[in-house]
Amino acid sequence: QKEVEQDPGPLSVPEGAIVSLNCTYSNSAFQYFMWYRQYSRKGPELLMYTYSSGNKEDGRFTAQVDKSSKYISLFIRDSQPSDSATYLCASIKAAGNKLTFGGGTRVLVKP
Amino acid sequence: ETGVTQSPTHLIKTRGQQVTLRCSSQSGHNTVSWYQQALGQGPQFIFQYYREEENGRGNFPPRFSGLQFPNYSSELNVNALELDDSALYLCASSFHGTVNTEAFFGQGTRLTVV
Repeated sequence: QKEVEQDPGPLSVPEGAIVSLNCTYSNSAFQYFMWYRQYSRKGPELLMYTYSSGNKEDGRFTAQVDKSSKYISLFIRDSQPSDSATYLCASIKAAGNKLTFGGGTRVLVKP
Repeated sequence: ETGVTQSPTHLIKTRGQQVTLRCSSQSGHNTVSWYQQALGQGPQFIFQYYREEENGRGNFPPRFSGLQFPNYSSELNVNALELDDSALYLCASSFHGTVNTEAFFGQGTRLTVV
């Protein structure tokens, strides 16, 4: 079993819709939870990260972490075609140096 | 765009050959991590370098090795290439002593082994 699991999609939504992305993880030692966006043939770009449980909002993006259920979510409001990309969740231990990634979810926002 | 640059962007090698990939870290960063991303999968941690020494390693065989130079740039070397080594190799730079949440990735090197 992988330490971080993510539905590969693809997830197709119309422009303006809310995109909902999820990951589950198994390692209780994970303390930081990140979301990356990766366009085709590019490196991952950090969107935001959350420490422990809770919510964090940054513009159209909201990240949620529920450590009791080991569940990580990312919501994208008012989605745009430019949001079409692969979204990767990742986790890391408090004193860790290694990011553990999910497999990525491909998102397509149709105009 | 991050300040992390990788070279080359693409290359094709034959099974059994050796390859060297290069990474220049972002200004102010002193730690470099390497990841392998197979097609359709998430990146997997290969190893990290800090102070020119390996500072943690993932589940990769010894034929994957690295170097870090005094200017914090880094190389990834892979010997005896196998077909399964075909992947996007990503370099990420960060500052040691902080949790690696602020790692910035380069655009990657796409390696094809034939």
